[in-house]
Amino acid sequence: DGGITQSPKYLFRKEGQNVTLSCEQNLNHDAMYWYRQDPGQGLRLIYYSQIVNDFQKGDIAEGYSVSREKKESFPLTVTSAQKNPTAFYLCASSIGEEAKNIQYFGAGTRLSVL
Amino acid sequence: GEDVEQSLFLSVREGDSSVINCTYTDSSSTYLYWYKQEPGAGLQLLTYIFSNMDMKQDQRLTVLLNKKDKHLSLRIADTQTGDSAIYFCAERDSGGYNKLIFGAGTRLAVHP
Repeated sequence: DGGITQSPKYLFRKEGQNVTLSCEQNLNHDAMYWYRQDPGQGLRLIYYSQIVNDFQKGDIAEGYSVSREKKESFPLTVTSAQKNPTAFYLCASSIGEEAKNIQYFGAGTRLSVL
Repeated sequence: GEDVEQSLFLSVREGDSSVINCTYTDSSSTYLYWYKQEPGAGLQLLTYIFSNMDMKQDQRLTVLLNKKDKHLSLRIADTQTGDSAIYFCAERDSGGYNKLIFGAGTRLAVHP
């Protein structure tokens, strides 16, 4: 079954700690994205990657880091520099070089601060 | 910059039609999308429309696009309790990379 798997579903962070959210896809998509969702707001783009070993900052990249060493994996690290990390994080992927650019989403990870 | 706006809530009776509205600012957008989010879940693509179309129908869903007014709507016919969710409108950023710009979402509540 093709899809996007995010783990864990729930994550708790202590102050000063870095945490890493996992995103894996088996859709053979080139492009992958990380969004942050806060209540009553739309999704905001954190980072995106159009191809392996390449990624760019989105609108709210400060306090976050990513890597793209494999096509199927795009982990997001929430660093201690992110002062308000409590949110719902969504990973997405798309074919990439396609006009429609339909993005497919994982089930999300809810991050809370202890 | 580009912006997408939606009303936050809509309440309808089961069996009635729901109409969710959206306005956007980027007149160069080529594609516009409707996504559905159920509680605690990711986003599911419902439908999309290319900017040279006025209307697209897919079973109970009808999308209307008014490019002149930059207005997009999603009509759900015969609304069911299973349609209760948050509906997001999104436009493809014409700025050169594969970015989608999302509205804040409309929460649809269906009551008996």
